[in-house]
Amino acid sequence: DAKTTQPTSMDCAEGRAANLPCNHSTISGNEYVYWYRQIHSQGPQYIIHGLKNNETNEMASLIITEDRKSSTLILPHATLRDTAVYYCIVRVGGSQGNLIFGKGTKLSVKP
Amino acid sequence: KAGVTQTPRYLIKTRGQQVTLSCSPISGHRSVSWYQQTPGQGLQFLFEYFSETQRNKGNFPGRFSGRQFSNSRSEMNVSTLELGDSALYLCASSSGQVTGELFFGEGSRLTVL
Repeated sequence: DAKTTQPTSMDCAEGRAANLPCNHSTISGNEYVYWYRQIHSQGPQYIIHGLKNNETNEMASLIITEDRKSSTLILPHATLRDTAVYYCIVRVGGSQGNLIFGKGTKLSVKP
Repeated sequence: KAGVTQTPRYLIKTRGQQVTLSCSPISGHRSVSWYQQTPGQGLQFLFEYFSETQRNKGNFPGRFSGRQFSNSRSEMNVSTLELGDSALYLCASSSGQVTGELFFGEGSRLTVL
């Protein structure tokens, strides 16, 4: 699986959009980009995933660059409850059981 | 539908003992994975079971083992506990499809004294 690089921490004002970047320059053509988040003391929560097209769901949007070497997770209107560690993971489609979690980005949403 | 259920939520053991943790996946999910989370190492993959067969295994010693039953419920066992085994153990279930996301439980927090 390709490695990912994320900033260690980020701050965002409540109500503003939170844009979390992820670099995955060695991604292969059949690898998906997944985002999970973990709120303190809870199990990780799936957010969104994509292959090459931009994706949007009720939680967030995922923007993947045309060369697929980087992506951005967008939380359109961040709330205090979005404070969490966000993990960007690159994974070949198929078994999702053995995800490799990095250090992630600690997002702090401030009032 | 009900989420992933892990039991027990908290437990305390002493060195040398063994422990068994249980995980009930979301109904219909056939894949169950286990992860260990510690402050120092973060989230680390232990193993994954699919239809009662271990499909993937992480880099943990043989003291860590697991199994899956015909109803997809899974257990993991840690024998000869060490202080370093103190961690949050997370179970995740998945449909097992190509891009099926993982659904995590709340975890079992193990403290080894």
